Amino acid sequence: DVKVTQSSRYLVKRTGEKVFLECVQDMDHENMFWYRQDPGLGLRLIYFSYDVKMKEKGDIPEGYSVSREKKERFSLILESASTNQTSMYLCASSLPPVNSGGFQDTQYFGPGTRLTVL
Amino acid sequence: RKEVEQDPGPFNVPEGATVAFNCTYSNSASQSFFWYRQDCRKEPKLLMSVYSSGNEDGRFTAQLNRASQYISLLIRDSKLSDSATYLCVVNMRGNTGKLIFGQGTTLQVKP
Repeated sequence: DVKVTQSSRYLVKRTGEKVFLECVQDMDHENMFWYRQDPGLGLRLIYFSYDVKMKEKGDIPEGYSVSREKKERFSLILESASTNQTSMYLCASSLPPVNSGGFQDTQYFGPGTRLTVL
Repeated sequence: RKEVEQDPGPFNVPEGATVAFNCTYSNSASQSFFWYRQDCRKEPKLLMSVYSSGNEDGRFTAQLNRASQYISLLIRDSKLSDSATYLCVVNMRGNTGKLIFGQGTTLQVKP
């Protein structure tokens, strides 16, 4: 079974604090992703990574950065937390996709971190 | 136009009912299609992949119509435990590994 873990289920921070969200997967997946999920907006991709030390911006990278120093670990950093970053943060991992309709791009999610910024 | 569109519902059905969810996607180059299930305040989990010829897993049947860019999920003999949000998911054009998630359709099965 794929196991994706996130460092905290619930987190409360103050405006302006630096926040680290950690994600670890144990299936040797190359791809890792950070999303946020808000009511009415669905899942939105913040950043993703294809390999160690590689990262690419998703749809909403502003206010976030990431770090991938080891294959199994992908960290999301809020440099200066703001109230509009209050959300559910979900990490996911997957194998790299293959050609012609393979399903290796199935993503497996961690339990999520519900972050509240006051 | 959203890349993946679903009727958000909610769908309220009695136990034992058959219910169908539909989804349309805009990227004709998409090659992977999925249904995920998300319980309240939990993470999305893969329910089933959707194959071109359609596929069945117990009470769940998924269909794909590439010409119309349309995906469906049929749930037969609904159980209380089927109450959840069902997310339609497609991959982006090319082999990027990125998936596009619909906003989800909420199902509430009542006794």
